[in-house]
Amino acid sequence: QVQLVESEGGVVQPGRSLRLSCEASGFSFSSYGMHWVRQTPGKGLEWVAVIWYDGSNIDYADSVKGRFTISRDNSRNTVFLQMNNMRAEDTAVYYCARGNGLSRYWFDFWGQGTLVTVSS
Amino acid sequence: DIQLTQSPPFLSASVGDRVTITCRASQGISSFLAWYQQKPGKAPKALIYVATVLQSGVPSRFSGSGSGTEFTLTINSLQPEDCATYFCQQFNSFPLTFGGGTKVEIK
Repeated sequence: QVQLVESEGGVVQPGRSLRLSCEASGFSFSSYGMHWVRQTPGKGLEWVAVIWYDGSNIDYADSVKGRFTISRDNSRNTVFLQMNNMRAEDTAVYYCARGNGLSRYWFDFWGQGTLVTVSS
Repeated sequence: DIQLTQSPPFLSASVGDRVTITCRASQGISSFLAWYQQKPGKAPKALIYVATVLQSGVPSRFSGSGSGTEFTLTINSLQPEDCATYFCQQFNSFPLTFGGGTKVEIK
């Protein structure tokens, strides 16, 4: 069965960095686009980033562009989110999600989510 | 960016009731809309995609309709396990966006 398991989040100080990973199993990872989506009580669900199945295309929400980097290692069935220069407003539960579709994506499977708190 | 407005934000209904949630897009998105159910402390779960197609394993009491800018999620014969928050999501264009959610409570 499809499984997506995110790494543990944690507490990080403003301006610092954190890298999340998401290990996939139960499907042909290299055939799917992968996404990060975050959720806060105040802003609801917010799409963060996408990386195409082969890494050839990447896109970001404006709120994280220039600070976050999505990448993948198809040999390890893993997608990453490198978060730099973090801000208080990046505090959220972060989910990795499998994108269903060729270039227009909805999310058919989600990880369990990992809490990231940005605070001094 | 395409804005999605869900209504109502909260509804309370009895077991067996028919429940309808609306999602309006700020511009036309054809049928590129999905619906999700989220229970407290859990990840969202896909219910419907391309506006009307039921995801595998989802009970048939859930249905979706609409195209363009107006969409609905209907739950026929509400069950206790349907107590959750429901979100719509457009995948017509990036950035992908979500509606604000509708919390469904059982009376």
